[in-house]
Amino acid sequence: DAKTTQPPSMDCAEGRAANLPCNHSTISGNEYVYWYRQIHSQGPQYIIHGLKNNETNEMASLIITEDRKSSTLILPHATLRDTAVYYCIGLNYGGSQGNLIFGKGTKLSVKP
Amino acid sequence: DAGVIQSPRHEVTEMGQEVTLRCKPISGHNSLFWYRQTMMRGLELLIYFNNNVPIDDSGMPEDRFSAKMPNASFSTLKIQPSEPRDSAVYFCASSFGLAVTDTQYFGPGTRLTVL
Repeated sequence: DAKTTQPPSMDCAEGRAANLPCNHSTISGNEYVYWYRQIHSQGPQYIIHGLKNNETNEMASLIITEDRKSSTLILPHATLRDTAVYYCIGLNYGGSQGNLIFGKGTKLSVKP
Repeated sequence: DAGVIQSPRHEVTEMGQEVTLRCKPISGHNSLFWYRQTMMRGLELLIYFNNNVPIDDSGMPEDRFSAKMPNASFSTLKIQPSEPRDSAVYFCASSFGLAVTDTQYFGPGTRLTVL
């Protein structure tokens, strides 16, 4: 599974888009990019995942570069409740959920 | 629709005592995972089950830790004897299966403090 690199922290103004980058330069062609977040004192929460194409759901959008070496999670209109640690994880298609490894993530602070 | 349920939410015990953490996965989910989170080591996978059978327990720190899943709706993580370094938040998660696209859903966690 690809090693991912994320900035340790980011700030975002409330109501603005939060763009969280993730570098996964060693990703293979059959490796998914997963995003989870963990709000303080809660369990991790699944956000979105993608393989090659950009993905969007009710929570966020995931933009994956054409070479698949990096991706960006976009929260279109950040609120104070989006303050959390965001984890970007590479997961091989041939692997299993048992390979979901959480790194240090990015601590996003949404400010009024 | 109930999510993953964990009990107790908080546990304070003294060193040497036995501790049992409980988890009820989402109904219909066949895979269950136990994680531990500390400031120093982050979120670590301890063990996971599929169809009530342990698949990989390589993350279990030592023999003091044991986990069981007697049926599809219940799992326990036991620490005997407990030590202060076991203090952490323990999360249980479940998923429909082990496929990469089977998303894990986490419970609220049990905060364990061993004095």
